[in-house]
Order: sequence, then structure tokens, then C-alpha cells
Amino acid sequence: IVLTQSPGTLSLSPGERATLSCRASQSVTNNQLAWYQQKPGQAPRLLIYGASSRATGIPDKFSGSVSGTDFTLTISRLEPEDFAVYYCQQYGSSPLTFGPGTRVDIK
Amino acid sequence: EVQLVQSGAEVKKPGESLKISCKGSGYDFTTYWIGWVRQMPGKGLEWMGFIYPGDSDTRFSPSFQGRVTISADKSISTAYLQWSSLQSSDTAMYYCARRGRYTYSQYFEHWGQGTLVTVSS
Repeated sequence: IVLTQSPGTLSLSPGERATLSCRASQSVTNNQLAWYQQKPGQAPRLLIYGASSRATGIPDKFSGSVSGTDFTLTISRLEPEDFAVYYCQQYGSSPLTFGPGTRVDIK
Repeated sequence: EVQLVQSGAEVKKPGESLKISCKGSGYDFTTYWIGWVRQMPGKGLEWMGFIYPGDSDTRFSPSFQGRVTISADKSISTAYLQWSSLQSSDTAMYYCARRGRYTYSQYFEHWGQGTLVTVSS
């Protein structure tokens, strides 16, 4: 399954809402899709699994949703620590695949 | 607290062999799958394979099958990623990561800090 993320880069100001898209090339079994955040020089961090369930310790400003093969990660109000690269990953079928990432940077 | 601690950065020449490690703590190492993920310089994430340390069952991405070996020593809670003959294209950061609790939970809940592998003549 090929995952396409858009936009490639999202330039926003702190306090704004971020909407990130991840489109799958075919149906993802049981909406088994996760979102990760990666900051420079750091390992990725799991944010969302099962398309909409927040991982342990993830604040509720992060939310995930799905409509068919279109998955969305929303960050309700951007804070300085949220500027990073975000990846989606499907785990409904093998091989597991990641999207190419969306960079959220400060406008 | 779940922790995955990886071995340090490596600089190797093409054709050399290498084995990097990932030591788990803070949980039952034998009952969670461990995966390896590659990140080439400035690029995205690629799943390489998994191992279940309890019985050393392994699964590979077709892109990495036959090119790397994944193993584990459950007596010391450590997983390994190994190359028999490195190529310059193996230059990347390699992460180990623990999967979720259930069989279908093939997402990565906990990550190691990464091991940078540089292959250059």
C-alpha cells in the first residue's frame, strides 16, 4: 500500500490549526494507520494508532480521523514544540509502509 | 519505564560486516515484537523487519529480505541487526522500535535512540 502525504510542507503560525492528510492507494484493513512525530535529531514518537486513538501521554490537541482511504491528523492549536515532521504508517497489510512525511514549520 | 538503548555510531568500509544492537528494559522483552526501521540521510522511514524474541520468529520487508539478518538473545534482552557485506547505500540511521501489545498492533510504541551507520571507503 502506497501512502501519499500532503502537503509536503505546511507553514503555519503558533496558535493556528494544522490539518495533515495521508491518502492510501487502497483500503487499509480495519483502518490500521498510525501517525508519528519526528523532531530533528530525535527518534519518531507515536501519536495516533488505529486512525484515531491517541497513544499514551499524547495531548488531546492531536486527533486523527478517517474517511475511506483518506486519513487526517489534526493539531488543534500549534505550539512551538509541534513544529516537526509527521509521518503516517499503515499496518493493515504487509509490507508495512510509511508515507513520505509532512513538514510543519513556522511561518 | 520502557527503554530501548541502541549501540553507538559505526563507521565502516564497503564489504565489511556489522552487527548493531538494541537492548530492551522495563518490560517483558520476550513477549513483544521488535522492529527495525531505516532512515537514510534526509529521507523518510522504511520498515525493514521484525523479530519476536520469545521464539526468534522473524518477518521481513521484501526490500530487505536476504540483505540483513535480524536476531535476538532473550537472555540479555537484546535484538540485533546484522550485515555481512555493507554497501555505501547502507549509510543511514537505524532505529529499533517495540510494537504494540497485540498481534495486530503493528505500530511502533517505543523507539530506540537510533544507531548511525556510515559506510565509506
